[in-house]
Amino acid sequence: DQQVKQNSPSLSVQEGRISILNCDYTNSMFDYFLWYKKYPAEGPTFLISISSIKDKNEDGRFTVFLNKSAKHLSLHIVPSQPGDSAVYFCAASVRSNSGAGSYQLTFGKGTKLSVIP
Amino acid sequence: GAVVSQHPSWVICKSGTSVKIECRSLDFQATTMFWYRQFPKQSLMLMATSNEGSKATYEQGVEKDKFLINHASLTLSTLTVTSAHPEDSSFYICSARNARTNEKLFFGSGTQLSVL
Repeated sequence: DQQVKQNSPSLSVQEGRISILNCDYTNSMFDYFLWYKKYPAEGPTFLISISSIKDKNEDGRFTVFLNKSAKHLSLHIVPSQPGDSAVYFCAASVRSNSGAGSYQLTFGKGTKLSVIP
Repeated sequence: GAVVSQHPSWVICKSGTSVKIECRSLDFQATTMFWYRQFPKQSLMLMATSNEGSKATYEQGVEKDKFLINHASLTLSTLTVTSAHPEDSSFYICSARNARTNEKLFFGSGTQLSVL
């Protein structure tokens, strides 16, 4: 049973427009959410995160929105740039777990974003 | 930024042989490292959590005798796939936690294992 779902395997967006990547989760214990970006042949790199006590976190062109009641989060990239083309993973963790368990991540399958120049 | 180096990036081996994958944190001490596995079109699945100087904690369904994890120092963790079989063919990736930053995990570039 997949606890973190990214239902869109791919997304194409025109350069300069907004990219919206969606993520749903089923485990109500998750209290910390992260987005990772992955280029081919490289490991995922951290992009942005949000704690369950917030509903929005912004960092430059990247904004993550969290709707706890709907168990849904989204990543907005605006304006989208060709260099943003990559696979984006949504991940969740239970930070209230003790020790290293609080850093164990449950990942979605990823969404491949293509930004068209 | 923090770098995690993972080697080899890809390996092909015969069925029945063992393969060792190394994960090194290059500019920070990693008290905890995580090993993930990703099958095609699936998500990254946590296999085990490795703490320096102690035994690894394995997720349900992951055979600890088959996937040997050693975290002998604060900068190195190894995953050995013993007696590999074709069904072990997968993408293996490690991540390391910098105890000082707390917020982030840093990932290696992954190892694609193909067992013939």
